[in-house]
Amino acid sequence: GEDVEQSLFLSVREGDSSVINCTYTDSSSTYLYWYKQEPGAGLQLLTYIFSNMDMKQDQRLTVLLNKKDKHLSLRIADTQTGDSAIYFCAESPNAGNNRKLIWGLGTSLAVNP
Amino acid sequence: GAVVSQHPSRVICKSGTSVKIECRSLDFQATTMFWYRQFPKKSLMLMATSNEGSKATYEQGVEKDKFLINHASLTLSTLTVTSAHPEDSSFYICSARAPGSGYTFGSGTRLTVV
Repeated sequence: GEDVEQSLFLSVREGDSSVINCTYTDSSSTYLYWYKQEPGAGLQLLTYIFSNMDMKQDQRLTVLLNKKDKHLSLRIADTQTGDSAIYFCAESPNAGNNRKLIWGLGTSLAVNP
Repeated sequence: GAVVSQHPSRVICKSGTSVKIECRSLDFQATTMFWYRQFPKKSLMLMATSNEGSKATYEQGVEKDKFLINHASLTLSTLTVTSAHPEDSSFYICSARAPGSGYTFGSGTRLTVV
């Protein structure tokens, strides 16, 4: 069945780069997403990548997609304490507005001063 | 960008009462909205897909008579937790997808049943 896996925890020093990894199983995935959730808050869309792309960069964020290995990563450059949050990877089977997302359990990122 | 507004952000209710949570798309029309429940270990569980003008589609194991969903307009979906019990205490989040955009989420509702 459809599944998305992420490591649960990541700890980095302030100023270093963070890399959060995600693997998925559905080869028909069209969009893959990264969401950020700060404590007690809802989910914020950070970025997404279409399945025909290998890389997408947006300021400090770089998303890499290896479709062959079904591996997605999020790199945060110059990680700051404000980046401490839970990061969720999610996939969408197709581009329809009524398709549900398949979620990973989230990676808790801790940024140490 | 697309904004989804969810209210209330926090609610405490007595066991046996009902609670209504609202989810509004502020600058776009959403024919479909999604309701999630988030458990303490962070995992998001999709409860149901809310369809404007028709019945919601519930995921397996979710009681439709307990979690009533109404999607009466293109900008509003409501989730009513009926006869709430302490085990219903959780973080509930709604989402919708604006055209040409990713899925946008509300800020969530922390429900505590005492």
